[in-house]
This record gives sequence, structure tokens and C-alpha cells, in this order.
Amino acid sequence: KAGVTQTPRYLIKTRGQQVTLSCSPISGHRSVSWYQQTPGQGLQFLFEYFSETQRNKGNFPGRFSGRQFSNSRSEMNVSTLELGDSALYLCASSAGRPSTDTQYFGPGTRLTVL
Amino acid sequence: DAKTTQPNSMESNEEEPVHLPCNHSTISGTDYIHWYRQLPSQGPEYVIHGLTSNVNNRMASLAIAEDRKSSTLILHRATLRDAAVYYCILRGQAGTALIFGKGTTLSVSS
Repeated sequence: KAGVTQTPRYLIKTRGQQVTLSCSPISGHRSVSWYQQTPGQGLQFLFEYFSETQRNKGNFPGRFSGRQFSNSRSEMNVSTLELGDSALYLCASSAGRPSTDTQYFGPGTRLTVL
Repeated sequence: DAKTTQPNSMESNEEEPVHLPCNHSTISGTDYIHWYRQLPSQGPEYVIHGLTSNVNNRMASLAIAEDRKSSTLILHRATLRDAAVYYCILRGQAGTALIFGKGTTLSVSS
């Protein structure tokens, strides 16, 4: 099976712009979760989509949003970029069962905001 | 989700066993204990998980205390490739989110 893919791998934006990141889950997986990783805050959960619906949400401002398509591919959007949004954005796919399912992570998108 | 406490860092020599501890004194009866690790420049990867009984897989073993307030991830023979940040995570029935702490940075020397 192909793994989780994320595009683009690297991105440079300036403050105030918006950005869209894409994630293609493992075939058959219906859940896609997004995480932000920074040196200061570590790995933080952004949100999870399951069957095109947001099922869980972390503690991030409304500038961070996402969606999931019928083929389970997911996009994450950040509007009005701030310097502090510079981070590695990881997506993970899973079958979507709480408590026990394994999450498979992609390689991440490295976003730099100038 | 309940919180976990792990040492910031640990060191090991190649070919030796490694015991990575995790304290989770506020664990609830339905929380599963998961371990993930993150190798340099990669996304996290699943290692093992368990509920009450000790668990083994090809990567590691998970020893869970009888009162479930602590657990230990055991790498039976450390290799250089095992150098990573190891995260101990509790997952309840409410959702699928992984709530990462700081983890333990494992260094392996040859």
C-alpha cells in the first residue's frame, strides 16, 4: 500500500498570505488528522476529519481550517499567515476507530512564513 | 485525555536493551497506552499499544504495571536506527486525536 503523501513538501509564504496544504491518506482510510510541530510547542493536534466531517478539533484559532473530500483526501488552509505559523505540518491517516487504531503519518509540509 | 510523564532524555549503547518509562497516574480504566516514535526529519510512527496486559510486537515490548499507573517500553536490542523521540500517549474512547507530550529523546551510541 502506498503511504500517506503530503504536498507540497516545502513552502515559503509572507505574512498576511494564505496557504493550502494537501494530504492523501492511505487507501481505505477514512480519517485524516492534522498536526502542527514547532520547536517551542512540540506536536499539537489541529483537527480530524472523518467521512468528510470534522470530528475533533484542537485549540487553534479560526484561521486554521480544513476539509475532506469524498475520496478521503484532505486539505488544510491557513489564512492571514503569521510568523508563528512557521512549522512542520503533519497529516496522519487511520481507519478512524477511537482508542486503538494506528495513525500513519506523512512526511509533512515545512511552511516558512517570512 | 490524561497526562503522561516521561524523562527528557535517555542514553543507550548499541545491542543493549533499553527501558523507556512512562508515568500516567491519572489514567482511566478505558484509556489505552500508545507509544509512537519520531526519527529525525520524519513523521511519527506507531510503535505499540496496550490496555492492561503486556504486549509484544516485532519492534518492541510494552510492560504495563498492575495498577496501570505506569508503563515501560522495552527495546530488546537497541540499534543506531532506534535513536528517536519516543512519545507515550493515552487514548480514551472519546476520539482519535493523539495528544503528544515532550517525549523522551533516546540516544544510541555504537
